[in-house]
Amino acid sequence: DADVTQTPRNRITKTGKRIMLECSQTKGHDRMYWYRQDPGLGLRLIYYSFDVKDINKGEISDGYSVSRQAQAKFSLSLESAIPNQTALYFCATSEPDRGLFTGELFFGEGSRLTVL
Amino acid sequence: DQQVKQNSPSLSVQEGRISILNCDYTNSMFDYFLWYKKYPAEGPTFLISISSIKDKNEDGRFTVFLNKSAKHLSLHIVPSQPGDSAVYFCAASAIDYGQNFVFGPGTRLSVLP
Repeated sequence: DADVTQTPRNRITKTGKRIMLECSQTKGHDRMYWYRQDPGLGLRLIYYSFDVKDINKGEISDGYSVSRQAQAKFSLSLESAIPNQTALYFCATSEPDRGLFTGELFFGEGSRLTVL
Repeated sequence: DQQVKQNSPSLSVQEGRISILNCDYTNSMFDYFLWYKKYPAEGPTFLISISSIKDKNEDGRFTVFLNKSAKHLSLHIVPSQPGDSAVYFCAASAIDYGQNFVFGPGTRLSVLP
């Protein structure tokens, strides 16, 4: 089983619908992230959480919200989906490296979202 | 403007030869760099990293070189194998970014048999 699991893996929805992408991890890491990947733009950070009580906006948080239900669970919501939110979404976890910087990121397999 | 750039969207290399993937950054505060590899339908996986206190880090067939004055790093794969065919992302981090990473757009490497 994957250490970082994302559901659903694929989703097609319509404009205006509410969508939730879920992420769970068995790595025991405190830090969790949501990224989106778009062609030619790489991975951009949407939200991140360094522990259950800590939620922070990333580079492109507008139109998204998150919930850290437990150390192992971090969900991403699109309250009212729009077509330009069509993308590949990745959840990731990490532990601090050298006590200071974020260490390597461990990614889930991705959730492909299409908004019509 | 992208702070981490990978100006070659794609690269083709013959099996057994060297693959060189390049990455440039604009923020002089970045001091930790990573390379990730991504296969289709999978999440990115960590490949190799380098701290700004070093100019080279080697792990088997993979070597990352950092030139801080030029704000440039490169990933060398020697010898290249068909299984290395993937998209490679360069990422950079700094304390000012809340210890988060800024990713480049990726380079698609094709290793031809």
